[in-house]
Amino acid sequence: TQLLEQSPQFLSIQEGENLTVYCNSSSVFSSLQWYRQEPGEGPVLLVTVVTGGEVKKLKRLTFQFGDARKDSSLHITAAQPGDTGLYLCAGEGNAGGTSYGKLTFGQGTILTVHP
Amino acid sequence: DAGVIQSPRHEVTEMGQEVTLRCKPISGHDYLFWYRQTMMRGLELLIYFNNNVPIDDSGMPEDRFSAKMPNASFSTLKIQPSEPRDSAVYFCASSLAKTGELFFGEGSRLTVL
Repeated sequence: TQLLEQSPQFLSIQEGENLTVYCNSSSVFSSLQWYRQEPGEGPVLLVTVVTGGEVKKLKRLTFQFGDARKDSSLHITAAQPGDTGLYLCAGEGNAGGTSYGKLTFGQGTILTVHP
Repeated sequence: DAGVIQSPRHEVTEMGQEVTLRCKPISGHDYLFWYRQTMMRGLELLIYFNNNVPIDDSGMPEDRFSAKMPNASFSTLKIQPSEPRDSAVYFCASSLAKTGELFFGEGSRLTVL
């Protein structure tokens, strides 16, 4: 089973600060997705990255897929209270591995942005 | 468009009782997934279906858990008998592709006393 470790587990910051969430594995992934989940709701997809070294921007959010496709990061600039939520990364197993074709979720990072 | 619809949203039951969770996927989606979310273990895949056929149930904890998908618009996850350690939020998700974007329902929060 391919494992994804997210860090930090908890992040509490003030409005306007920048932050980075990391998603790491010792395994290679074919692609990686980032989801955001608000209390009482299901996760919602933010972005999918598929190419090593790929960088995608979504307004104040910047997503990067590591060159070796083993890690990813989510950077938020000038965080706002509306960014509060649980951020989850999910990797698709690489061809040849036992997790091929499956999505494995990280444990998540709980972000709280205070006004 | 209606998203993935799950019911009930909340269920409180006593140990030993049967629990049935229901899911209506997004129309046209070929894949349906059941996940369980807890603080300790995060989001775990229990089982998924493709075109109503169960493909991988390796995540189902034990024989007390069973899932069915009698048609393209309905699936159930049943726990019999339920135990306190089954307490969690159970999510149903559907997608057009096996590793495409997952569309999650709002979840069913199960508490087993």
